[in-house]
This record gives sequence, C-alpha cells and structure tokens, in this order.
Amino acid sequence: DIVMTQSPDSLAVSLGERATINCKSSQSVLYSSNNKNYLAWYQQKPGQPPKLLIYWASTRESGVPDRFSAGGSGTDFTLTISSLQAEDVAVYYCQQYYSVPFTFGPGTKVDIK
Amino acid sequence: EVHLVESGGGLAQPGGSLRLSCAASGFTFRNYAMTWVRQAPGKGLEWVSGISGSDDSAFYTNSVRGRFTISRDNSKNMVYLQMNGLRADDTAVYYCAKGGDESCYSRADYWGQGTLVTVSS
Repeated sequence: DIVMTQSPDSLAVSLGERATINCKSSQSVLYSSNNKNYLAWYQQKPGQPPKLLIYWASTRESGVPDRFSAGGSGTDFTLTISSLQAEDVAVYYCQQYYSVPFTFGPGTKVDIK
Repeated sequence: EVHLVESGGGLAQPGGSLRLSCAASGFTFRNYAMTWVRQAPGKGLEWVSGISGSDDSAFYTNSVRGRFTISRDNSKNMVYLQMNGLRADDTAVYYCAKGGDESCYSRADYWGQGTLVTVSS
C-alpha cells in the first residue's frame, strides 16, 4: 500500500496569513503515460463530510476559492492557503488515487492563531 | 445538483451484517465510479471500496476484502455496501462519494452526509 504522510499535524495561522501543508507519498503517484499526479486534497469541517478542493495535484475544483492552490509531483506535494480566512478552519487531507487502496494522509488541522 | 443520501447504518453485533445503501441523483449515474469511505470516531478518512461506472471493476481495502461487497444498480441510481463479519474496528461513519469519472482511479468530487455504523455487543 502507498503510505501518505502529512506535515505538520496541526498549525495555527493568523487571519490573512499564509498556511502551507505538506503531503508525501511512499512511492510516486505520477502516471508516466499521461503525466498526471493522482493526488487530491480535501477539506473537512467539523460535523461535515469532506469537500474536494484539488485534484490531479494542482487542479482547483469548480467553486473553490483561488486562495487555495496546490502543487508538487511524484512523491512531494503542498497545499497552500494564501490568505487564511475564518471559514478555512478545518482538517485537510491528501489522498492518492494511483494505486488501490486509495490511501489518505492522516490529516492536518488548521486553526486561527 | 448532485445529491447522495446514505442509509442502512445502525447497531450491529460482532460477526453480524449490515447493508448500506446510497441513493444518487443530479448526474448521469452510470457514467461515474462510486466509492465508500469511512471515518472512525475522532479519526481520519479511510478509503473502503470503489466500483466503476459500468460495474465491471470493484476494489477493496485489505481489511474488508472478503467481508464487504460493493455493488450498484444503474437502473435505480443506487450503490450498496454489503458488510458481513462485522468487527468492532468497522465502527465508523460511512460516506458514499461520487467519482470524477467512470474509472475508480479518480478523485471523489461529491460526498453524502454519511451513515453511522456501530459494531458492539
């Protein structure tokens, strides 16, 4: 199985400041035949189901604010919130969908400082 | 608007069975893979199973393979998870999610609200 790790476990950022979350996979999730990274990011607020933010490692889902951006390739990925808003308080998960089982990272909790 | 509604959760005894259902609407169901993801109380997300849009491919995480069976009825826009041999560590909220395309190798772009499964004697 591909193991997904995230860092940090949690972070507290002032409103309007940048938050960066790292995600690492134990093996590459880049499919060479189409040059796509099979990596998604989700946001989960308390008491709610997850919400898709990013797929193919860097494609923002429709309706997601452009303060959310993501990048990386192969085994190392990042999610950045450029200017943290109060409504961004949540747990953020990365997930690989390159190889079954499609494993999630353990999550990173984002709070307001 | 995409809508996913899970049902069938509840209390089951160890070794028992439950069948989860997910009713889908707002999209051409047969064109998209469907997935079950679970979340144990206070824990992270765990992918459980997925099935392709055409119903010709199904996959499972190791811990449920041989005990759980995913299926779909494209005429009723329904996806199911038959869970047998339930164990205490199957206790979780089970989410139904829509895939981004027909293949299981895709993100989960819409999620239901989840149904709670509790396995306890």
